[in-house]
Amino acid sequence: KAGVTQTPRYLIKTRGQQVTLSCSPISGHRSVSWYQQTPGQGLQFLFEYFSETQRNKGNFPGRFSGRQFSNSRSEMNVSTLELGDSALYLCASSNSGQGPYEQYFGPGTRLTVT
Amino acid sequence: GENVEQHPSTLSVQEGDSAVIKCTYSDSASNYFPWYKQELGKGPQLIIDIRSNVGEKKDQRIAVTLNKTAKHFSLHITETQPEDSAVYFCAARGGADGLTFGKGTHLIIQP
Repeated sequence: KAGVTQTPRYLIKTRGQQVTLSCSPISGHRSVSWYQQTPGQGLQFLFEYFSETQRNKGNFPGRFSGRQFSNSRSEMNVSTLELGDSALYLCASSNSGQGPYEQYFGPGTRLTVT
Repeated sequence: GENVEQHPSTLSVQEGDSAVIKCTYSDSASNYFPWYKQELGKGPQLIIDIRSNVGEKKDQRIAVTLNKTAKHFSLHITETQPEDSAVYFCAARGGADGLTFGKGTHLIIQP
């Protein structure tokens, strides 16, 4: 089975712009979660989607949003980018709608904001 | 919310020796505790997990123990090998919340 794929792998944006990141979960997995990883804050939970519905959200400002499509693929969007948004954004998929359950991570998208 | 503390931040061991990484959590409602290994340039890889109804779980050279009363869990790696060098993260999760991660342990295997 193919693993979790994320595109693009690297991205450079300017402060004030917006960005959209994409995640394709493992085939058959219906849950997608997003995490932000930075050297200072570590791995932090952004939000989780299951069957196109946001099921849970972490403590991030409203500039961070996401959605999930009927084929379970997910996108996250960050508007009005700030320098502090530079991070590795990780997507994780799971094959269960009943928590807790195993989450499998993709390679991440490295976002640099200048 | 949940808070996970992980120690040590760096651990250096001789090849063939054992390594132990410890984590504590704050939310007694947490019931799922995975461990991830992250190599440079890659996403975290799930290596073992344990649920709150189990006290210990083993998979070849890797084992995890959980003490619910004390709210701590540990990762044990025996007979360490060079390929075990990586950053290891513990995490905790309760119900439908997202995973809360520790800050990570950089494990260095000395030849």
